[in-house]
Amino acid sequence: DGGITQSPKYLFRKEGQNVTLSCEQNLNHDAMYWYRQDPGQGLRLIYYSQIVNDFQKGDIAEGYSVSREKKESFPLTVTSAQKNPTAFYLCASSQPGGAEDEQFFGPGTRLTVL
Amino acid sequence: AQTVTQSQPEMSVQEAETVTLSCTYDTSESDYYLFWYKQPPSRQMILVIRQEAYKQQNATENRFSVNFQKAAKSFSLKISDSQLGDAAMYFCAYRSGYQAGTALIFGKGTTLSVSS
Repeated sequence: DGGITQSPKYLFRKEGQNVTLSCEQNLNHDAMYWYRQDPGQGLRLIYYSQIVNDFQKGDIAEGYSVSREKKESFPLTVTSAQKNPTAFYLCASSQPGGAEDEQFFGPGTRLTVL
Repeated sequence: AQTVTQSQPEMSVQEAETVTLSCTYDTSESDYYLFWYKQPPSRQMILVIRQEAYKQQNATENRFSVNFQKAAKSFSLKISDSQLGDAAMYFCAYRSGYQAGTALIFGKGTTLSVSS
């Protein structure tokens, strides 16, 4: 089945640690996105990538980093510079210019800082 | 910059009744898309319905329909014959049509509860 997988489902981080959230898609989509969800805030864009080896900052990129070395993978690293990382993180993908250009979402990762 | 506003943090409806969720947006663009996403307790985001700005006809998907008022920049979602499974958080979202692959801009969401 085609889709987006995110791992782990739950992640715990100690203060000062970097952690990496995984996002993999087998939909052959060119574009991938990372959103952060906080209670009462909706979803906010962290980073997005429209093609391999290229990515752009979103509205809340500070304290985060990404890479896009493969079409199917778009990992997000939450660095120690992110002061309030506890949140729900959603990865999405889409095929720009496609008939629908719909964004498909993964199941999410819940990150908690201990 | 584009913004999306959902002014109803919470709504409730009884089974089989109809409910309307409100959404307004602000943009200077003429080419864009609007979406309603559903997020049930599992937190999986599910596309409910989409509307292209250039289409005057309101989109419909089974029990879900929209009232798209382009001049007023309003995009409400009507759920008819509400079911218990409709209970979820609903997000209104905007995407520019000028460049493919741009990200969505979301409202803060409306939590819908359905009672029997």
